[in-house]
Amino acid sequence: DQQVKQNSPSLSVQEGRISILNCDYTNSMFDYFLWYKKYPAEGPTFLISISSIKDKNEDGRFTVFLNKSAKHLSLHIVPSQPGDSAVYFCAARKGGSEKLVFGKGTKLTVNP
Amino acid sequence: NAGVMQNPRHLVRRRGQEARLRCSPMKGHSHVYWYRQLPEEGLKFMVYLQKENIIDESGMPKERFSAEFPKEGPSILRIQQVVRGDSAAYFCASSPFQDTGELFFGEGSRLTVL
Repeated sequence: DQQVKQNSPSLSVQEGRISILNCDYTNSMFDYFLWYKKYPAEGPTFLISISSIKDKNEDGRFTVFLNKSAKHLSLHIVPSQPGDSAVYFCAARKGGSEKLVFGKGTKLTVNP
Repeated sequence: NAGVMQNPRHLVRRRGQEARLRCSPMKGHSHVYWYRQLPEEGLKFMVYLQKENIIDESGMPKERFSAEFPKEGPSILRIQQVVRGDSAAYFCASSPFQDTGELFFGEGSRLTVL
């Protein structure tokens, strides 16, 4: 029973273009969503988050959009850079819980 | 200003042996979390601890797995009588307070069971 789904295992984009990574969730009790980035042989690194009371959060080149009615969020990276090449995990949390539920990740490759 | 330190980075055990994974949280962090990542999977929550207390162990297998975070020293994840299915990357994370998903992860401990 996968509550957080990232249906694209991989994504390839050209440097300078926009990268859009998608994430769907099934549990309507989730109220906080996060994106983590992971390089090989390293631990995940927090990237950006959004509360369910918002529909957009922006931090530099990274923007997360939340569509609660569709139970969908997306991470936009613009412009994409080769250093952005990594696996991106979407995660969600229920109010009152410290437990994060992760998707399986999307491997982003940004080609120079 | 060291980050979350995990050791060993790699551990090889034979079936039936014990595995002990250690995690030192970031300085000033009193909340520790353990996650497991199986091959081709996302991270799965195992346990959440504060100093000397297990707060949420709902992700821990009922047998063979235990965790502690003593008053002094690192947090320990202990797996007794390991089986091949325990082979995975085990990540520890810490945070300075509750109610944040912005966890700081260590580099992980990769357990291989022969």
